[in-house]
Amino acid sequence: QKEVEQNSGPLSVPEGAIASLNCTYSDRGSQSFFWYRQYSGKSPELIMFIYSNGDKEDGRFTAQLNKASQYVSLLIRDSQPSDSATYLCAATAAGGGNKLTFGTGTQLKVEL
Amino acid sequence: GAVVSQHPSRVICKSGTSVKIECRSLDFQATTMFWYRQFPKQSLMLMATSNEGSKATYEQGVEKDKFLINHASLTLSTLTVTSAHPEDSSFYICSAEQGASYGYTFGSGTRLTVV
Repeated sequence: QKEVEQNSGPLSVPEGAIASLNCTYSDRGSQSFFWYRQYSGKSPELIMFIYSNGDKEDGRFTAQLNKASQYVSLLIRDSQPSDSATYLCAATAAGGGNKLTFGTGTQLKVEL
Repeated sequence: GAVVSQHPSRVICKSGTSVKIECRSLDFQATTMFWYRQFPKQSLMLMATSNEGSKATYEQGVEKDKFLINHASLTLSTLTVTSAHPEDSSFYICSAEQGASYGYTFGSGTRLTVV
């Protein structure tokens, strides 16, 4: 079982719609969770991180964490073509210090 | 926000030679930096954790004698790929943690091609 799992996609949404990206993790001891955006050929950019159960909003982005279900999600409101990228979910490893474990990423395509 | 500078951004080298990649935190001190490798259409795989003033901690399956890591100061870590082979061709990315409340910032990555 992979430690951090994501659907590889592609996930296609029309411009202006809400994109919902999901991630599950296997390590119950993971404390912090991160969402990164990666454009093709570029390095990842941090979108936001979350470590408390519930929702965290930043502009058009909302991260949701449910530790009981071991589930993290990222909502992108008013999706734009420039949001088209691969979104990587990452979690810190329990007992592993501050290392991050990444999922394989979900490719998002925002269509005009 | 935190900036991590990585260079070179792209390097082509001959098989058997060594390549050094530098990673610098520009506006903060990083006692810990991380080195990742990413093959096409795959996720980031952690290679090693670089600790200032001490030896790096390598992930299982990563050859420490082939991938030399030196964390010489609180703002600089280097990765040297020794005796490079075509299968080492990949996208190498470093990251640094600014603090628990700020997350991890990535460098711009180095595209290594071994011919």
